[in-house]
Amino acid sequence: AQSVTQPDIHITVSEGASLELRCNYSYGATPYLFWYVQSPGQGLQLLLKYFSGDTLVQGIKGFEAEFKRSQSSFNLRKPSVHWSDAAEYFCAVGDLTGGGNKLTFGTGTQLKVEL
Amino acid sequence: ETGVTQSPTHLIKTRGQQVTLRCSSQSGHNTVSWYQQALGQGPQFIFQYYREEENGRGNFPPRFSGLQFPNYSSELNVNALELDDSALYLCASSPRGQTLAKNIQYFGAGTRLSVL
Repeated sequence: AQSVTQPDIHITVSEGASLELRCNYSYGATPYLFWYVQSPGQGLQLLLKYFSGDTLVQGIKGFEAEFKRSQSSFNLRKPSVHWSDAAEYFCAVGDLTGGGNKLTFGTGTQLKVEL
Repeated sequence: ETGVTQSPTHLIKTRGQQVTLRCSSQSGHNTVSWYQQALGQGPQFIFQYYREEENGRGNFPPRFSGLQFPNYSSELNVNALELDDSALYLCASSPRGQTLAKNIQYFGAGTRLSVL
């Protein structure tokens, strides 16, 4: 079965510091990978996606992610975190089994930014 | 263009009752998916609708049912509510491109359901 693991439940970084959120996936075929962000009271907003090609993908708000097939990872990075980045971040894999195209999500990483 | 809108924002029900949640798709999107997000968890796929028919279902019992209307809006119905149904219910709409897995899902803000 497809699955996504986000090993870090909570991460705290100082404003201006770099950030890396980890994501590992288990999927039999070529994965379609996504990172979403959820702020309190908000729905999920797509940060970036990987379908194929260049393994380093750029997203919105200065985020990027690198797909590493050998490690089954799709880690999210940002060089310099802003206080407004505090939110919950979800990694997801697109899953076609059972019909339709569903997203299988990890359990999320809560990011806290210290000023 | 308008985004995905869900109503109501919050809802309180008692065990055994029935509830209907509503979702309006983003303009131009013909596919709607529903997810349940329990506290501290990632969203779990409930089902997806395309052209008014169910097109994929997650591991949820039959008391979770849905509808999609000709204007692509959708309803999620839950019968015989249980305490564990308390969660944030998210609706996502997407266009239907040639490569199914590349259809980006755009989420609404969700309906917070509390079952007492």
